[in-house]
Amino acid sequence: AQTVTQSQPEMSVQEAETVTLSCTYDTSENNYYLFWYKQPPSRQMILVIRQEAYKQQNATENRFSVNFQKAAKSFSLKISDSQLGDTAMYFCAFMKHNDYKLSFGAGTTVTVRA
Amino acid sequence: NAGVTQTPKFRVLKTGQSMTLLCAQDMNHEYMYWYRQDPGMGLRLIHYSVGEGTTAKGEVPDGYNVSRLKKQNFLLGLESAAPSQTSVYFCASSTLIFLRGGTEAFFGQGTRLTVV
Repeated sequence: AQTVTQSQPEMSVQEAETVTLSCTYDTSENNYYLFWYKQPPSRQMILVIRQEAYKQQNATENRFSVNFQKAAKSFSLKISDSQLGDTAMYFCAFMKHNDYKLSFGAGTTVTVRA
Repeated sequence: NAGVTQTPKFRVLKTGQSMTLLCAQDMNHEYMYWYRQDPGMGLRLIHYSVGEGTTAKGEVPDGYNVSRLKKQNFLLGLESAAPSQTSVYFCASSTLIFLRGGTEAFFGQGTRLTVV
């Protein structure tokens, strides 16, 4: 079974600044996918960014980028130029190649201060 | 474009009562899932389905049953609710391409269930 660990229960950041969320995972698989999901107060789960393990290049989506370190089994999310709308809980998730199931971390609550 | 719709959004049950949560998706997805979200534990998979008429157990299946009689619907049942089943329940769906990382799983808006 895969485990996903998010060691930061809560983080706070000033508007326009940068915040980095950590995620580590444990797996014996070589081919897999990693995701960051955002859950705002509305409860909707929104995909932020996705990374394929076989790609060395870190994924980027506008103000969101990841630092994927396969050997260290680390997958951190950086939010640049933080906006009030970024206030949400963020979940790191893992999925094996050709599997059906996502394994989620416990989540990190991010609060962006005006 | 409704995506994934869950019914109801909120519910309060008494211990021992039964209920069914309905999940409907209009994207013709093959795979459907039920997760529960609890503080400090993230989302955990209860049951899932890889196609019409098929279901399988996930990580925390005890106390729940599911059915997928139609491709677009996935029902989650609680036969005798317990306070430990107080949680937020999410339904999700995805296509075969998702298994190879090609797309994403789509989530419903969640159902907050309280068992007293």
